[in-house]
Order: sequence, then structure tokens, then C-alpha cells
Amino acid sequence: DAKTTQPPSMDCAEGRAANLPCNHSTISGNEYVYWYRQIHSQGPQYIIHGLKNNETNEMASLIITEDRKSSTLILPHATLRDTAVYYCIGALGGFNKFYFGSGTKLNVKP
Amino acid sequence: AAGVIQSPRHLIKEKRETATLKCYPIPRHDTVYWYQQGPGQDPQFLISFYEKMQSDKGSIPDRFSAQQFSDYHSELNMSSLELGDSALYFCASSWLAVLAKNIQYFGAGTRLSVL
Repeated sequence: DAKTTQPPSMDCAEGRAANLPCNHSTISGNEYVYWYRQIHSQGPQYIIHGLKNNETNEMASLIITEDRKSSTLILPHATLRDTAVYYCIGALGGFNKFYFGSGTKLNVKP
Repeated sequence: AAGVIQSPRHLIKEKRETATLKCYPIPRHDTVYWYQQGPGQDPQFLISFYEKMQSDKGSIPDRFSAQQFSDYHSELNMSSLELGDSALYFCASSWLAVLAKNIQYFGAGTRLSVL
């Protein structure tokens, strides 16, 4: 599984876009990039995933660079409830385990 | 929508006792994963099952065993409990048939405290 690197913490003002970066320079061509978040010891929550193309769903957008060495998760209008640890995970499809790195603690402030 | 159900939510045991954690995956999901999250740590993969067969194994102690049953629920059995086993235990499930995207859906977890 690809090793990912994320900043340990970030702040974001409520209502503004939160842009969370992730470096995955060792990702292989068939590994997906997954984003999960964990709100205060709750079970990790799936946000979005992608392989090569940018993706958008009701929660967030995922921008993957053309060389696939990094990606950015965008929460378009952060709310206080988005305060959580965000994990970027590189993994194969199928029934493959996730390796959770240290993640980014996002603090959304009023 | 149905989610992953874990029971019990909280469990308190003494050292050297045994514990059994249960996981009921989302209906139609055929793959189950177990993760352990110690205090202040990130989740660590323990073991996974696909169609009732072990599919992968992580840093799971020999004192732990797990299985997936015919109805796809899974149980994690932990024996000779140690203080260091105190952690949150998460179960996740996925549906391999969905284009092999491996989106794992997590339960709320079982908090195990070993005294």
C-alpha cells in the first residue's frame, strides 16, 4: 500500500473552503486514493475516492494531480461539524486492508 | 440505510480474561475487516475475511482469533487479555462485487477496557 503524508493539523474558518493536501508519491498505477474522516473516536467515515480523475460527491471534491503523486480534498463550505481527523489512504481495490497514517486534524472555527 | 453493527459497544474485562466482539456487516456485504485503535493512535488493521475465508492478516496477536460465519457476521475472540489490549475495535464491511472499489464502511466500534 502507498505511504501517504499529510500535515498534522489545519485550521479553517466556518463557511470557507477547507483544502486538505496529501502526498502519495509512491502510489502505484492501480491504487486508489481514499479519504476518510474520524470524528472524535467514532468509526471512520467514508468521504470520497478516486483513481486518476477528479471526483465530486455531496460531501467533497477530490483533486488528483496528473502524475498522481498528490491529491487535495476540498470541503467547499466547512461547518463546525466537519472538525475531525481526515485520513488519506492509498490502497488497491478488492478486499485490501487500509493503512491509516497520522491524518490531518482539521479544526473548523467560528 | 443499514449500517455496520458492532456489539457490545463497551466492554470491561480483567487481565487474563477472554472477550468476544461481534460484527454484523451491511446486508449483501461479503467482506469484513477488523481494526484496532489504541488511545491516541490511528487505526491498525488486524484481519479480514472474504466469503468466510481469511483474506489478509495484519499485526494481530496470536491470542486473538476471528472468523466469519455463514450469515457473514464476524466475531473477534480475544484471550489472555492484557492491559495493552485496551482500545477501540472497529469492524468494517465492503462489497467486493461493486467494481472492486473496496469502499469500507465502518461500525461505531467496541471500546474494550482491560483492568
